[in-house]
Amino acid sequence: AQTVTQSQPEMSVQEAETVTLSCTYDTSESDYYLFWYKQPPSRQMILVIRQEAYKQQNATENRFSVNFQKAAKSFSLKISDSQLGDAAMYFCAYRSAYRGGMRFGAGTRLTVKP
Amino acid sequence: DTEVTQTPKHLVMGMTNKKSLKCEQHMGHRAMYWYKQKAKKPPELMFVYSYEKLSINESVPSRFSPECPNSSLLNLHLHALQPEDSALYLCASSQDQGLTYGYTFGSGTRLTVV
Repeated sequence: AQTVTQSQPEMSVQEAETVTLSCTYDTSESDYYLFWYKQPPSRQMILVIRQEAYKQQNATENRFSVNFQKAAKSFSLKISDSQLGDAAMYFCAYRSAYRGGMRFGAGTRLTVKP
Repeated sequence: DTEVTQTPKHLVMGMTNKKSLKCEQHMGHRAMYWYKQKAKKPPELMFVYSYEKLSINESVPSRFSPECPNSSLLNLHLHALQPEDSALYLCASSQDQGLTYGYTFGSGTRLTVV
C-alpha cells in the first residue's frame, strides 16, 4: 500500500518570505501523480499544484513550486513571497495511475506572520 | 459551474436516526468520491464511484451506504451511526480519474452523532 508522510505538523513563515513544506511517499508503482492541497478554515480542499511522476521537470504555479525527487520519493512544496492568505493546512497527496482514490499525508499547518 | 455542492453543511443526528448526505456537481465529471475527515487528521477515502458504479469500498462499515443515482449526484445514506462517526464528510469529483486535474472538493458536511 502507498503511504504519504509529512514530517512537519506545523510550520511558520514571515510574510513575504519563503517556506518549504516536506513530503515523502512510499510506493512500488512506476506511474503515479502527486498533489499538494490547501485546506483553509473554510474546510474546502483546494488544489495548489500537481506533478506527474514521469515528468522530470518540477511543476510551478505562480508563487508555488515543487522539488520532485523521484529516486528519493520526495515531493516538497516551496511557497515564495508568502501571503497572509496562504495560512492553511497543507496536504500532500498520492494518486496511483492504476487504481482510484487519492491518499493524503497527515498535513502541515502553515502560519503566516505579518 | 465549477463547484461541488454538498448539503447539508451541518447535521446533528441521534444513533437511531436515518439521514442522507448529498453531493452534486455539474462539471461533467464521471468519477465521484466520499472522504471522511476527523479533526486535525487527513481525509480518508471511503468510496469511489466511476461511471456511476462503485469501484472502491475501503472496508467502510455497512452503516454507511453510498448511492450514485446519476453522473451528477452522489448520496451517502447514514443509519445507526456511532458517536465516533462524527467527522467532516467531504465529497469530491474528477475527470479522467483525477490524474490530470486532481479532484474538485465540496465544502463538506460537518456531522455530529449524539
